[in-house]
Amino acid sequence: GNSVTQMEGPVTLSEEAFLTINCTYTATGYPSLFWYVQYPGEGLQLLLKATKADDKGSNKGFEATYRKETTSFHLEKGSVQVSDSAVYFCAERAGGFKTIFGAGTRLFVKA
Amino acid sequence: DAGVIQSPRHEVTEMGQEVTLRCKPISGHDYLFWYRQTMMRGLELLIYFNNNVPIDDSGMPEDRFSAKMPNASFSTLKIQPSEPRDSAVYFCASGRGDRDSEKLFFGSGTQLSVL
Repeated sequence: GNSVTQMEGPVTLSEEAFLTINCTYTATGYPSLFWYVQYPGEGLQLLLKATKADDKGSNKGFEATYRKETTSFHLEKGSVQVSDSAVYFCAERAGGFKTIFGAGTRLFVKA
Repeated sequence: DAGVIQSPRHEVTEMGQEVTLRCKPISGHDYLFWYRQTMMRGLELLIYFNNNVPIDDSGMPEDRFSAKMPNASFSTLKIQPSEPRDSAVYFCASGRGDRDSEKLFFGSGTQLSVL
């Protein structure tokens, strides 16, 4: 079946550092791609999405570009804040509404 | 809207006992998902429903697990008998099946501990 692979964590950064979390997917065709964020003790929330090749999703300073040629959807942010500390999940939806998530990457941002 | 509501928030039980987790999706959503989150395996899709009908239960670990959706506003995930390896956070999520939306709304989860 389809799967999503993202870089293992935890990722520890200092405030204002640049963030990249890698994500690759296996679904063929043109799946929709997502990044969700989970804060402690809460469920996941949608952070951004892209639905076709070369689309860039963006929200709250985070960005990710749908790269069909490399089957990737890497998450980036130019300057992280302590409040960005959370677990980030990459996800794909290919055919129907079935959404598959990666294992999650925990981010710690130090002041 | 109150969002996706799960109960209980925490459940502690002994091995061999039956456990029932409950979920109320957002009104108007026609898809409902059950996920399990563990440190070792991340976020696994167990089963999902469309219009109250189970569409894909290939992620259900074994016969001890069962899920029902008797109507559009309620779903249960049952484990009988429970085992310590079932300890995890179980999330319910709902969504609308239109291309413009595609977003899933998650509940706060049920933290299950099987002793």
